[in-house]
Amino acid sequence: RKEVEQDPGPFNVPEGATVAFNCTYSNSASQSFFWYRQDCRKEPKLLMSVYSSGNEDGRFTAQLNRASQYISLLIRDSKLSDSATYLCVVNKGEGFQKLVFGTGTRLLVSP
Amino acid sequence: DAMVIQNPRYQVTQFGKPVTLSCSQTLNHNVMYWYQQKSSQAPKLLFHYYDKDFNNEADTPDNFQSRRPNTSFCFLDIRSPGLGDAAMYLCATSRDLFGQAVNTEAFFGQGTRLTVV
Repeated sequence: RKEVEQDPGPFNVPEGATVAFNCTYSNSASQSFFWYRQDCRKEPKLLMSVYSSGNEDGRFTAQLNRASQYISLLIRDSKLSDSATYLCVVNKGEGFQKLVFGTGTRLLVSP
Repeated sequence: DAMVIQNPRYQVTQFGKPVTLSCSQTLNHNVMYWYQQKSSQAPKLLFHYYDKDFNNEADTPDNFQSRRPNTSFCFLDIRSPGLGDAAMYLCATSRDLFGQAVNTEAFFGQGTRLTVV
């Protein structure tokens, strides 16, 4: 079983749509969680950290369910510029960022 | 200004010819990482340095080595590149989290795309 699993997609949505991505992780001892965004042939960039209480950043909302080892990302009012691959990332390090990446979910937003 | 800089952005090397990729950082972070990302796959951690301490992942081939002469620089050496080593190589940095309660960010360079011919 992969340490971090995601549906690869692609998710094709129209502008303005709401889309949700899910991710599961296998190591129950994992302490911190993130969503990264990666554009084609570019490096991953941090989109947001994921906290147990859930957190929101503009149109983006992340949720963590530790009991189910499940992480989600909700994007509201999708923009064309949201088209990218969204990587679910789990930190398995102790005291530093030893990141384990999911394979990513590809999002395509169309006019 | 770029904080994690990788050179070159694109590297073409011959099968079996040693190649070195470089990474530098201006963040004074004590942890540096090398990831390998093949097409349509997740970035995979090869190894990391915690200060001067080198930590190899169990499944990283011996063909891959690394050097960190000082805090700012880290090199990835591929001793005998094979066709299967063609990938994007990503350098990242982060700072020690011990004693910190918040999630901190890992900063990635723009990557070096390696082609083996």
